[in-house]
Amino acid sequence: RKEVEQDPGPFNVPEGATVAFNCTYSNSASQSFFWYRQDCRKEPKLLMSVYSSGNEDGRFTAQLNRASQYISLLIRDSKLSDSATYLCVVINDYKLSFGAGTTVTVRA
Amino acid sequence: DGGITQSPKYLFRKEGQNVTLSCEQNLNHDAMYWYRQDPGQGLRLIYYSQIVNDFQKGDIAEGYSVSREKKESFPLTVTSAQKNPTAFYLCASSIEATSGRKNIQYFGAGTRLSVL
Repeated sequence: RKEVEQDPGPFNVPEGATVAFNCTYSNSASQSFFWYRQDCRKEPKLLMSVYSSGNEDGRFTAQLNRASQYISLLIRDSKLSDSATYLCVVINDYKLSFGAGTTVTVRA
Repeated sequence: DGGITQSPKYLFRKEGQNVTLSCEQNLNHDAMYWYRQDPGQGLRLIYYSQIVNDFQKGDIAEGYSVSREKKESFPLTVTSAQKNPTAFYLCASSIEATSGRKNIQYFGAGTRLSVL
C-alpha cells in the first residue's frame, strides 16, 4: 500500500464552483500534513499546512481526520488560476511522503 | 532574493556518461534534499542531508551520488549505473529535518534530464 494516496482526477469545474478532494495516508503515527500546489512543469509550492482543528486560508479550507487517516482540501469560488495539481504531503520523522497529486481544471 | 537555484534547467545525458545537477540555496537552511518525479507518480526521495558533510540515502539512491561540502550547495550526480535517468529532478531545502513545520520544504525550479 502506498504511504499517501490521492484521487488523480481530473476534477473539471466551472468558475465559481466548489471542489473538494481527499488524500489518505497509511501511517497512523504521521505527525504533520500539508498541501502543495504544482503547476504544469513547475516545482511544487506550499499551499497551506493542515492543522488538527481544520484551517482556512482565503478560499481554501483544509481538514484532518486522524481517526480515518485522511486530509481534505476544499476550494470555494474557484478561479481559473486555481487550475493545477494539488499534492498531499505527510511527514513521518524527517521524511516527507508525497501523493501523486489531484489535478483540478477550472473552466471559464 | 532568498531561494533555491537549480541548474541547468534541461540536461541531456549520453550512454555511459555521468552528469551533475547543481543545487544552491541562500536560505541558511541546514537540510537539503533531492527528489525525482516521474509522470503520474509522487516525488521520490533520492538523497538527503541534515547538515554539512553528512548525507543519507533515500528510497531510490542506487545510481546516484551526492556531496555536501558547503551548507549552501548539494550537487547530485547521476551516474551511468542509473539505467532509467529520464525524469524531473527537484532539489529542496528546509530549516531542519524534523517532523514538524521546520521541515516545510521549499523547492528549486527543477532540472529535466533526458537520455540521448
